[in-house]
Amino acid sequence: EPEVTQTPSHQVTQMGQEVILRCVPISNHLYFYWYRQILGQKVEFLVSFYNNEISEKSEIFDDQFSVERPDGSNFTLKIRSTKLEDSAMYFCASRPDRQTYEQYFGPGTRLTVT
Amino acid sequence: AQKVTQAQTEISVVEKEDVTLDCVYETRDTTYYLFWYKQPPSGELVFLIRRNSFDEQNEISGRYSWNFQKSTSSFNFTITASQVVDSAVYFCALSGTTGGGNKLTFGTGTQLKVEL
Repeated sequence: EPEVTQTPSHQVTQMGQEVILRCVPISNHLYFYWYRQILGQKVEFLVSFYNNEISEKSEIFDDQFSVERPDGSNFTLKIRSTKLEDSAMYFCASRPDRQTYEQYFGPGTRLTVT
Repeated sequence: AQKVTQAQTEISVVEKEDVTLDCVYETRDTTYYLFWYKQPPSGELVFLIRRNSFDEQNEISGRYSWNFQKSTSSFNFTITASQVVDSAVYFCALSGTTGGGNKLTFGTGTQLKVEL
């Protein structure tokens, strides 16, 4: 069964460094998302992406964040200058088409900023 | 604005007991979608079910059942004859049809612990 994959599973970085989190959505899915979950808290929406552009973003997704689909398979989230409060689990999700509303999540990348 | 409330932070049951997880939602959209996701200790988010706002039929899948009541804005989840493997955090989520991206708005989750 196809699934969303994410790399790395755990990333440790120093405050102020740039990080890129990588995701490979399910093949043929058209909608892509990033969410984050601070330890012990709920899952929060960051950004949605469709047709090579951002379709919606939350107030968390400020100028330090960017997303890209550099080729036909990868979907990346870049944090330009990490802060301590960026420490969280980051989930990528994809959704097949306009008529299907459930999103399928990857296993997550745990980002630790020290 | 969308909001999902899961008032039960943690529930502990003994194996084979039935347990119901509550979910109440708010949205201004006339068409919307409700979901339940399971997050086991390993951390991934596993899709369980989607319900459309225009379909109030309840659903049963094995030991799982869902009760959607539009009149009370609730979408409750019942596990019958719970098992230790059901131990996880369960999230209720809502997706509206405005905003462009159909983002999921999650509740705070209910930690279910099933003990022997």
